[in-house]
Amino acid sequence: DVKVTQSSRYLVKRTGEKVFLECVQDMDHENMFWYRQDPGLGLRLIYFSYDVKMKEKGDIPEGYSVSREKKERFSLILESASTNQTSMYLCASKDSVSNTEAFFGQGTRLTVV
Amino acid sequence: GENVEQHPSTLSVQEGDSAVIKCTYSDSASNYFPWYKQELGKRPQLIIDIRSNVGEKKDQRIAVTLNKTAKHFSLHITETQPEDSAVYFCAARFNDMRFGAGTRLTVKP
Repeated sequence: DVKVTQSSRYLVKRTGEKVFLECVQDMDHENMFWYRQDPGLGLRLIYFSYDVKMKEKGDIPEGYSVSREKKERFSLILESASTNQTSMYLCASKDSVSNTEAFFGQGTRLTVV
Repeated sequence: GENVEQHPSTLSVQEGDSAVIKCTYSDSASNYFPWYKQELGKRPQLIIDIRSNVGEKKDQRIAVTLNKTAKHFSLHITETQPEDSAVYFCAARFNDMRFGAGTRLTVKP
């Protein structure tokens, strides 16, 4: 069974903290994505990665960075959390063949206070 | 990058009626167009997809049509049921994957 797992379901952090959101997939997928989901704005792409140590900016990368040291793990880093980064964060993965399904993690609801 | 626009943002129908959600995209290189359904509190899941060499695809009560010339594609749900109530996202993909803003569909019993 396909599995994409995000490390936390709910997270509360203070303004200015460094925050790590972890995503692990067990399908040997090359491509991994981080999105944030806000009401009325849909799923906005933050960063994606084609392979280990590779990363590409999405539409809203400001305030975020990513790390892909191993194929199965894609981490989203908030260098200095701010209240406007309070959101639902979704990780997804898919293999490198273009026309195939992407699988999502269960999401991490991050609140920055 | 790709820009995907989705309409309407909310849609309310009576049980048994049809629902149509439309999306347009900007990158003519996009060649894969999936639709995801997200129920409340759950992760998005693929319900149907279409590739650029096909104009229409159907799976029971759901169908997707693609017009590559006009760069738009649509999701059609017939004989809607209350369990179809969810948020639906379209996406367009070449290398990365961009989503529309979502449509909240409510099916009233």
